[in-house]
Amino acid sequence: AQSVTQLGSHVSVSEGALVLLRCNYSSSVPPYLFWYVQYPNQGLQLLLKYTSAATLVKGINGFEAEFKKSETSFHLTKPSAHMSDAAEYFCAVRNTGNQFYFGTGTSLTVIP
Amino acid sequence: DGGITQSPKYLFRKEGQNVTLSCEQNLNHDAMYWYRQDPGQGLRLIYYSQIVNDFQKGDIAEGYSVSREKKESFPLTVTSAQKNPTAFYLCASSIHLWTGELFFGEGSRLTVL
Repeated sequence: AQSVTQLGSHVSVSEGALVLLRCNYSSSVPPYLFWYVQYPNQGLQLLLKYTSAATLVKGINGFEAEFKKSETSFHLTKPSAHMSDAAEYFCAVRNTGNQFYFGTGTSLTVIP
Repeated sequence: DGGITQSPKYLFRKEGQNVTLSCEQNLNHDAMYWYRQDPGQGLRLIYYSQIVNDFQKGDIAEGYSVSREKKESFPLTVTSAQKNPTAFYLCASSIHLWTGELFFGEGSRLTVL
């Protein structure tokens, strides 16, 4: 069975500080991994995805994530937070031919 | 621009009423999905469809129904049998079933009065 755990339902950072959102997955085979962002009352937008081509994945808006098989992690980072980064972030996992499983989300607050 | 359109954005329903949420996509995707989002619970799969005239129950299908008469359209009906229908509903699509990434609509917020 697959599952996703996002540590920290709420994260606060100061504007300009490093953003680190944690995601750990369980999967019996190498998975496909995704990070989505959701602004209030809107749908989810893909930030980035890991499909086994490279362990460090760069996404939109300056975000990146690193796939670490030994740690079963896919943490999302951004070197310098911007006010516009305040949103809900979801990590998701999928194996070939199987459905997507989403984490419970992390709400990011950026403090001016 | 290609995308997914959900309507209505906000919907209020009295207990005992059925309501239908619309989802239309012009991405030429084969697969479409409905998810329910509740605070602190992430996204849960209600129904999905691989192709026209085919759909399958997801993890929380009870009290919901769908149809897929056209490739572009995948409406969701929330029936009176759904015990706790107040939620944010998200429609999504992908090029094929469980392939690539999901593309999402803007969502529909249903409130039962």
